[in-house]
Amino acid sequence: DIQVTQSPSSVSASVGDRVTITCRASQDVSNCIAWYQQRPGKAPKLLIYDASNLQGGVPSRFSGSGSGSNFILTISSLQPEDFATYYCQQTHSFPLTFGGGTRVEIK
Amino acid sequence: EVQLVESGGGLIQPGGSLRLSCAASGFTLSTYWMHWVRQVPGKGLVWVARISEDESGTIYADSVKGRFTISRDTAKNTLYLQMHSLRAEDTAIYYCARDRRANNFDFDYWGQGTLVTVSS
Repeated sequence: DIQVTQSPSSVSASVGDRVTITCRASQDVSNCIAWYQQRPGKAPKLLIYDASNLQGGVPSRFSGSGSGSNFILTISSLQPEDFATYYCQQTHSFPLTFGGGTRVEIK
Repeated sequence: EVQLVESGGGLIQPGGSLRLSCAASGFTLSTYWMHWVRQVPGKGLVWVARISEDESGTIYADSVKGRFTISRDTAKNTLYLQMHSLRAEDTAIYYCARDRRANNFDFDYWGQGTLVTVSS
């Protein structure tokens, strides 16, 4: 199975800050990474697919980059509604696996 | 508008069976690959099972293989997860999710989730 590791597990930031979250796969997954946002009590929401493609309706302050085994989610200017938990997922092969999550908290 | 609505969760004793449903609207279920994903409250996401659009392909996480069955009813536009021999470690919120595009395995729509609690 492909292991997916996210870091940090939590980050404290202020509105307007730039936030980066890292995702590392245990093997080369090409560009097969998706990123999700999950607010408390809600289902996850797809933000980025194929490592760098913005899902329709997602604000442009979200961006993804990387290939191979190292990936980054960047929020360029944190907004109040962005305080949530973020997950990466490898979509390369079964079983599909998710990172452990990164909680973005208000500083 | 695409919607997925899960139902069927609840409290069940270890060893018991439960069937979860996911009613789809706004799209035809049989034209998409569909998945179940679960999440222990406060913990991370775990993929459980997938069914292809023509039902020829089902695949399961090792932790549920042989105990869970994913299926769909085309006429009802509903996805199911039949769960047998339930264990305490199956306790989780179960989400159904739609594959954004066949063979992509990322999920563009999710249901609101249904909580399964396995406990005596």
